[in-house]
Amino acid sequence: QKEVEQDPGPLSVPEGAIVSLNCTYSNSAFQYFMWYRQYSRKGPELLMYTYSSGNKEDGRFTAQVDKSSKYISLFIRDSQPSDSATYLCAMDQTGANNLFFGTGTRLTVIP
Amino acid sequence: GAVVSQHPSRVICKSGTSVKIECRSLDFQATTMFWYRQFPKKSLMLMATSNEGSKATYEQGVEKDKFLINHASLTLSTLTVTSAHPEDSSFYICSASSPSTYSYNEQFFGPGTRLTVL
Repeated sequence: QKEVEQDPGPLSVPEGAIVSLNCTYSNSAFQYFMWYRQYSRKGPELLMYTYSSGNKEDGRFTAQVDKSSKYISLFIRDSQPSDSATYLCAMDQTGANNLFFGTGTRLTVIP
Repeated sequence: GAVVSQHPSRVICKSGTSVKIECRSLDFQATTMFWYRQFPKKSLMLMATSNEGSKATYEQGVEKDKFLINHASLTLSTLTVTSAHPEDSSFYICSASSPSTYSYNEQFFGPGTRLTVL
């Protein structure tokens, strides 16, 4: 079983839609949960990180962590064509940067 | 955010040759640099972690004699793929981090290097 599972998509939505991206994981020791955005031929950039369970909001983006279910989500409100990218979840046990990544979900927002 | 560059962005080489990839932190000093490999539709896989001035720590299954990592300064790390073969063709991404006053040391990623071995 992989440490982190993520549906690779692709996912296509119309502009303005709410997007829901999810990951599940098997290692209950993970404490830090990140979402990265990766544009084509670029490195990943950190969107949000959450420590332990709970919600975190930043503009149109909301990250949720449910440690009891080993499930994390990223919601994008009012999606824009510029949000079209691959979104990767990543997890870390100690905050010492040993990251475990999901495969990434490729998102396309259609104008 | 902090900027990390990689050079070259793309390289094509013949089987048996060695290829060096550079990773630089442009506006901060990176005490730790990481090298990842990314296959299409697969996760980013950590290959090794390096701290400035010390030997790299390789992940299980990564051949340290094949993937030579040097972290000579706080702003530069290099990955050399020695005697490259077609199965080494991949997207190699570096990242860098430095100690933070916050609880999480963010990694800043470079744009990646596409290696194609013929």
